[in-house]
Amino acid sequence: QVQLVQSGAEVKKPGASAKVSCKASGYTFSNFYIHWVRQAPGQGLEWIGIVDPTGNNRRYAQKFQGRVTMTSDTSTSIVYMELSSLNFDDTAVYFCARASVPGSLLGPFDSWGQGTLVTVSS
Amino acid sequence: QSVLTQPPSVSGAPGQRVTISCTGSSSNIGAAYDVHWYQQYPGVAPKLLIYADTNRPSGVPDRFSGSKSGTSASLAITGLQADDEADYYCQTYDSSLSGYVFGSGTTVIVL
Repeated sequence: QVQLVQSGAEVKKPGASAKVSCKASGYTFSNFYIHWVRQAPGQGLEWIGIVDPTGNNRRYAQKFQGRVTMTSDTSTSIVYMELSSLNFDDTAVYFCARASVPGSLLGPFDSWGQGTLVTVSS
Repeated sequence: QSVLTQPPSVSGAPGQRVTISCTGSSSNIGAAYDVHWYQQYPGVAPKLLIYADTNRPSGVPDRFSGSKSGTSASLAITGLQADDEADYYCQTYDSSLSGYVFGSGTTVIVL
């Protein structure tokens, strides 16, 4: 079955960077894009961006452009999301999720990772 | 502030029907982009509930249904059950933002 397993919780200081990983299994990794979504404590879902499994094509939400980098390693089936210049408002659970339509940016998010809590604290 | 507006909460007694609205604009729902719905329990990842406006993934009970008209979409839950108590989010693509957007989220309360 499709599984997305994310890295563990992180605590970062303001101004630092956080890099979260998402390991995919149970399907052909190269066929499906991966989204990143975050959820601040007690808040709703916020889309961060999407990356294709080859890492060649990515699209970021305007809010995060210049601060986020998404990469992919096809040899290990792992996608990474790095967010830099962290501030307190970046404290959130970060999720990876698979785009359901093969080879497409479109379609619903049909499988989700378990989430990674990134806490920004001085 | 979310691009897609949902009521903060809706409530109903067991067995009743509740609906959740999701109001967008001409750059998202009104532009005929598919609307998807997710269910989320506290502390866990969201789960896809409805995709492409009206379709249920395998395993989702037919008590859940989706619809769309103009710049709005709706999720209906019939035969409300205790374990329907969760947060629900709508989602679509927005051409002005060139990205995906989520609704503000609605908590369903089973009385």
